[in-house]
Amino acid sequence: LAKTTQPISMDSYEGQEVNITCSHNNIATNDYITWYQQFPSQGPRFIIQGYKTKVTNEVASLFIPADRKSSTLSLPRVSLSDTAVYYCLVGERSSGSARQLTFGSGTQLTVLP
Amino acid sequence: EPEVTQTPSHQVTQMGQEVILRCVPISNHLYFYWYRQILGQKVEFLVSFYNNEISEKSEIFDDQFSVERPDGSNFTLKIRSTKLEDSAMYFCASTPERGLTDTQYFGPGTRLTVL
Repeated sequence: LAKTTQPISMDSYEGQEVNITCSHNNIATNDYITWYQQFPSQGPRFIIQGYKTKVTNEVASLFIPADRKSSTLSLPRVSLSDTAVYYCLVGERSSGSARQLTFGSGTQLTVLP
Repeated sequence: EPEVTQTPSHQVTQMGQEVILRCVPISNHLYFYWYRQILGQKVEFLVSFYNNEISEKSEIFDDQFSVERPDGSNFTLKIRSTKLEDSAMYFCASTPERGLTDTQYFGPGTRLTVL
């Protein structure tokens, strides 16, 4: 399982774009990169997943360079409600079998007014 | 949007007592999971369940723990004799059969306090 490294915490102001970078130097060929968000006293919530280049959905964008040894979650124009812990997970994507997720410590994003 | 639900939201129990935590996964989902998160610590995998049997379990999931799908909607986690260190948030999650199983849908959690 590829080890991931993220900043422990980040602060931002409302309306700014926030970029959270995750390092995964030992990512394997079949591994995908998945980001989850967790609000206090709630369960994690899937945000976005990608394999290479760029993925965008209604919530965020995920940038993955060609070597795939890192990835950056980009949140456009954050609001106070985006204050949460963001987790980067790396692992082989599976379909048709149960798979445990391994969460690290995540990045505590605090959005300030 | 369909959601995973969990009851109760908060359970307080005495050490040594049995507790049952309940989850109702999303209705067309067939893979189920339990995770726990001790206050201030990481989310930890406990067990996965498919086709009425355990698929995988972690070292945390010892003989004191059991899971069951007693009917077509509920998925339960039982702790037979609770210890102080079982105090944590317990999250249930589920995934559709044809879904990618690293995209898991989590419930709001049950906060278990063991006194």
